[in-house]
Amino acid sequence: DGGITQSPKYLFRKEGQNVTLSCEQNLNHDAMYWYRQDPGQGLRLIYYSQIVNDFQKGDIAEGYSVSREKKESFPLTVTSAQKNPTAFYLCASSIKGSSSYEQYFGPGTRLTVT
Amino acid sequence: AQTVTQSQPEMSVQEAETVTLSCTYDTSESDYYLFWYKQPPSRQMILVIRQEAYKQQNATENRFSVNFQKAAKSFSLKISDSQLGDAAMYFCAYRLFSGGSNYKLTFGKGTLLTVNP
Repeated sequence: DGGITQSPKYLFRKEGQNVTLSCEQNLNHDAMYWYRQDPGQGLRLIYYSQIVNDFQKGDIAEGYSVSREKKESFPLTVTSAQKNPTAFYLCASSIKGSSSYEQYFGPGTRLTVT
Repeated sequence: AQTVTQSQPEMSVQEAETVTLSCTYDTSESDYYLFWYKQPPSRQMILVIRQEAYKQQNATENRFSVNFQKAAKSFSLKISDSQLGDAAMYFCAYRLFSGGSNYKLTFGKGTLLTVNP
């Protein structure tokens, strides 16, 4: 079945450590995105990538980094510079060139930093 | 910058009744898409319905329909014959039709819908 996989579902880290969240898709989508969700907030865009080896900052990129070495993978690293890393992180993908550009979402990763 | 506002943090409805969730947005663009996403307790985001701004006809998907008022920049979601499985957080979202940042979705803060049996 085609879809987006995010692992793990729950992730715990100590403050000061970098942590990488995985996002893999087998939908053959060109574009991929990372969103952050906090309680009482909508989703906010961290980074997005339209093609391999290219990505752009979203609205809240500070303290995060990404890579896009393969079409199907878009890992997100939460660095120690991110002041409030505890949140729910959602990965999404979409077809480039589609008239609707509908974004499909993964199941999310809940990151807790203590 | 585009903004999306959902003025109802929480709503409740009786099973089998109809409920309307409100959404307003601010944009200077004329071509764009509007979406309603559902996030149940599993936290999986699910697309409920999509509306293209250039279409005057309101989108409908089974029990879900929208009231799109372009001049008023309003995009409400109506759920008919509400079911227990409709209980979720609902997010309104906006995206430009084309342009350099046409991939970016801007979300509202969400409306938590409770369905009472």
